[in-house]
Amino acid sequence: DAGVIQSPRHEVTEMGQEVTLRCKPISGHDYLFWYRQTMMRGLELLIYFNNNVPIDDSGMPEDRFSAKMPNASFSTLKIQPSEPRDSAVYFCASSSAGPIQHNEQFFGPGTRLTVL
Amino acid sequence: GDSVTQMEGPVTLSEEAFLTINCTYTATGYPSLFWYVQYPGEGLQLLLKATKADDKGSNKGFEATYRKETTSFHLEKGSVQVSDSAVYFCALMPKGGGADGLTFGKGTHLIIQP
Repeated sequence: DAGVIQSPRHEVTEMGQEVTLRCKPISGHDYLFWYRQTMMRGLELLIYFNNNVPIDDSGMPEDRFSAKMPNASFSTLKIQPSEPRDSAVYFCASSSAGPIQHNEQFFGPGTRLTVL
Repeated sequence: GDSVTQMEGPVTLSEEAFLTINCTYTATGYPSLFWYVQYPGEGLQLLLKATKADDKGSNKGFEATYRKETTSFHLEKGSVQVSDSAVYFCALMPKGGGADGLTFGKGTHLIIQP
């Protein structure tokens, strides 16, 4: 398996522009997570899905952020409009819930976003 | 809410030195505990985990023991190598079923010098 795939790996944009980050989870995994990593705040959970349904979006910073999972193999995180303080590395992770709780989350390589 | 506190970095050691990275947590009940490692330019990888009190997780020479009485999960390695240079994250996942998101510490940057 190729692991969790994220695109783009790097994104540089100007303030006010729309940014879309993409994630393909590991095939067969039914949980998908979006995290944000910054120097100031560390790693923060933004939102997670189970079977394509958003379960907890309490970590989404504000209405400018939205996430969708139209099918089991694809998710997007959109920022519109983007601001310089959104600059961070955004990670997608997936896991498979089964009879054993707390299954390992597999992380993608991340998207480094820079908003000028 | 749940939280994880780990020692500030960077931690700089010589090759073959003994490593300890402290981690303490605050959570309701008895969460599962994890150490993740992030090598430069990569995503996080699970290093080891423990799901109940007194469990010891181990992998690649690293160990950590789930201490309920001190709410700690310190990471140790007897002899570090240059290739261990990375950022290490302590994390918890609350009990309660399902696969909730992880709560991470801020990370500890480890630098091993030859």
